[in-house]
Amino acid sequence: GAGVSQTPSNKVTEKGKYVELRCDPISGHTALYWYRQSLGQGPEFLIYFQGTGAADDSGLPNDRFFAVRPEGSVSTLKIQRTERGDSAVYLCASSLLPDSPLHFGNGTRLTVT
Amino acid sequence: DQQVKQNSPSLSVQEGRISILNCDYTNSMFDYFLWYKKYPAEGPTFLISISSIKDKNEDGRFTVFLNKSAKHLSLHIVPSQPGDSAVYFCAASELQGAQKLVFGQGTRLTINP
Repeated sequence: GAGVSQTPSNKVTEKGKYVELRCDPISGHTALYWYRQSLGQGPEFLIYFQGTGAADDSGLPNDRFFAVRPEGSVSTLKIQRTERGDSAVYLCASSLLPDSPLHFGNGTRLTVT
Repeated sequence: DQQVKQNSPSLSVQEGRISILNCDYTNSMFDYFLWYKKYPAEGPTFLISISSIKDKNEDGRFTVFLNKSAKHLSLHIVPSQPGDSAVYFCAASELQGAQKLVFGQGTRLTINP
């Protein structure tokens, strides 16, 4: 069975550009999460979806960040007007149920130049 | 404010000996604790968890100890094997099923043959 798939694995973009990061969760997993890991730090929570709705988006740093999960499966994290400080590994995770352990993807390494 | 702290950035242990990784937390509302293991270029993988109603949980070579009064937990790996070399993250949440995990900075464990 496939794990959580994230594309692209690497993304280099110029400051000010718009980027989209995609996450395909494990089939059947209802809960989906986005985390961000900066160099030398642990993952930081961004947003949690239960089904199609964002159950908790309290970790999104500002309104340049937005995430959707329109059909309750694939999710896209969207970052507008990227800044150099957005450079990090963006991790997606899914779980079968809200209280099940998280299964993480390999992440998308975003570099803003 | 770092709510979950792993004060040792790295640890080196001889193969076959015990590895002890430590984690401290400050938020008394944390009720559920987890350890994740991360290899380079991969996402974190769930290792073991413990609820605050317990002080010990064991799974094969891995044991997690929780000292609520000291707000401290530790992960013991015995015997340590070369494949255990990875970065280990401690994480906490305010209740099991609340997936807004707060991670520590990680400890890089190296097992020497």
